[in-house]
Amino acid sequence: GAGVSQSPSNKVTEKGKDVELRCDPISGHTALYWYRQSLGQGLEFLIYFQGNSAPDKSGLPSDRFSAERTGGSVSTLTIQRTQQEDSAVYLCASSLASALNTEAFFGQGTRLTVV
Amino acid sequence: KQEVTQIPAALSVPEGENLVLNCSFTDSAIYNLQWFRQDPGKGLTSLLLIQSSQREQTSGRLNASLDKSSGRSTLYIAASQPGDSATYLCAAPFSGGYNKLIFGAGTRLAVHP
Repeated sequence: GAGVSQSPSNKVTEKGKDVELRCDPISGHTALYWYRQSLGQGLEFLIYFQGNSAPDKSGLPSDRFSAERTGGSVSTLTIQRTQQEDSAVYLCASSLASALNTEAFFGQGTRLTVV
Repeated sequence: KQEVTQIPAALSVPEGENLVLNCSFTDSAIYNLQWFRQDPGKGLTSLLLIQSSQREQTSGRLNASLDKSSGRSTLYIAASQPGDSATYLCAAPFSGGYNKLIFGAGTRLAVHP
């Protein structure tokens, strides 16, 4: 596609349920990032994938959060046993190579509401 | 610790004014600096990317500069319009093995007619 695509755009879930958020990066982009933006807060880094290298998971807030990237393309962020504090906008970005030298492009985000 | 700071946090100006948004960073060993725009309830739109070897980039009414030695970047918006109203964020990936973009908290801009 022309840009980074995220689905769903909105998700309402009950506390304790698991959710999966999907990100389709720009074709050919080897780097993929997940960020979280809570209401009125800045962007919080979650995880970074670069090609076939081991992902940088240093930003994941708890072991309830996990992410995978299949075939170097589509990525799924999974949140298990959701809590109300997980409510936020989850943003995905991709870049042609590492962020060290290329422009990052963001999707429109998935707004997650845990009730 | 790498930090990115944006001043001011909010700005309200009348239409037609030229304005400057500021971004400062603690580590001069950055590889590049990127400016984004975020409209309410939306994702981030990339505006400009300045490589560490460059001093400025221009796109239409936008001009971004980078001064690594002083740890500063500025985004200049000429002849502001109500459609420029949004939150503007700067971000940089730092050296030392970090690949993630470190974001500032943003400047919320309102341009009124």
